[in-house]
Amino acid sequence: GQSLEQPSEVTAVEGAIVQINCTYQTSGFYGLSWYQQHDGGAPTFLSYNGLDGLEETGRFSSFLSRSDSYGYLLLQELQMKDSASYFCAVRTPGGFKTIFGAGTRLFVKA
Amino acid sequence: AAGVIQSPRHLIKEKRETATLKCYPIPRHDTVYWYQQGPGQDPQFLISFYEKMQSDKGSIPDRFSAQQFSDYHSELNMSSLELGDSALYFCASSLRSDYGYTFGSGTRLTVV
Repeated sequence: GQSLEQPSEVTAVEGAIVQINCTYQTSGFYGLSWYQQHDGGAPTFLSYNGLDGLEETGRFSSFLSRSDSYGYLLLQELQMKDSASYFCAVRTPGGFKTIFGAGTRLFVKA
Repeated sequence: AAGVIQSPRHLIKEKRETATLKCYPIPRHDTVYWYQQGPGQDPQFLISFYEKMQSDKGSIPDRFSAQQFSDYHSELNMSSLELGDSALYFCASSLRSDYGYTFGSGTRLTVV
């Protein structure tokens, strides 16, 4: 089976940098993804790491270490609109299912 | 750009009734996924379809069934509804080769 662990809550101030960690245990691995979800909204795909290393997309970066079964999402220059839940997710081999972690609720304060 | 369309947006049903949720994926996407999300919880995978054939199955109750039609739209049928079925139901679509999914706005089902 698959299990993912991430912190339940993180609080940071506007303009700061925050890192959300994710560790996973899977019977098969096909990449680590990150999704953002605002209250009452739909999950939105942010990034994907299939190989070790850092992927950068604007203010967001994501990192993966497959040997450590670990990844993180880095958010820079935090804005109030970044307040949301962030889910790490593992896509299973075959690619027809993605399992989500419990989510990290990010609060950005002025 | 076209998005994933779900209908209805809100649905209120009584216990033991049935409900049908519809999903219209992004054109040319070959895979559809259904997720259930309870309040404060992560999306739970229910089922997926690739090219109109069931491709994977998660923790979907036997009371639920789903299918994908020739025009690629998908329906989730839920029978003998229980209070615990109250949740947001998301449909998502992608190309099988895509890294991420595009989610619809969801259907909020309330069972009373």
